[in-house]
Amino acid sequence: GAGVSQSPSNKVTEKGKDVELRCDPISGHTALYWYRQSLGQGLEFLIYFQGNSAPDKSGLPSDRFSAERTGGSVSTLTIQRTQQEDSAVYLCASSLAPGTPSPLHFGNGTRLTVT
Amino acid sequence: GNSVTQMEGPVTLSEEAFLTINCTYTATGYPSLFWYVQYPGEGLQLLLKATKADDKGSNKGFEATYRKETTSFHLEKGSVQVSDSAVYFCALSERDSSYKLIFGSGTRLLVRP
Repeated sequence: GAGVSQSPSNKVTEKGKDVELRCDPISGHTALYWYRQSLGQGLEFLIYFQGNSAPDKSGLPSDRFSAERTGGSVSTLTIQRTQQEDSAVYLCASSLAPGTPSPLHFGNGTRLTVT
Repeated sequence: GNSVTQMEGPVTLSEEAFLTINCTYTATGYPSLFWYVQYPGEGLQLLLKATKADDKGSNKGFEATYRKETTSFHLEKGSVQVSDSAVYFCALSERDSSYKLIFGSGTRLLVRP
């Protein structure tokens, strides 16, 4: 399909393990965003990519969280030494043009459960 | 900083009732405003948007008007259907903040037949 694709759709991990979450944005979309949606909460911004650079990392909650983007396309969000409070749905979104308020297109998310 | 406040849910209505979901915002500049919807088991979808004061966004019978004087963007629909049951998120974006969307906490709507 032509939408934003995220994998895995579900991930269960033990506390202290590292996890990697993947996002494939819509082809041609230069802007990419990661959000976190905790149970009963709104969406919390994590990081924004323009191409391969991340001019806004202000939402990353701790240094255990990092993200990269390669080839202006696929992005990976890595959480090291996971904690139970990291349990949430992690959403990726992409948009066509960074210079205008173009709508964000969201993936279905990765549901992360830390036991 | 920028923020969005929307009414808490759940909102429960009978089919064909009138819907209002209130949304107000705080922003340093001139944001664009959005309503996103999340149907059960699906991802977030853009419902409508407005990019400047007095603009009205509309889609699928839903409307919202950008009111700068009251910093509001309330969502309305004249006659809801069972299929409108979902969680609705109000959001804003600003150029000065990377155009990232800042979301409200969401309002769950349940429409009963």
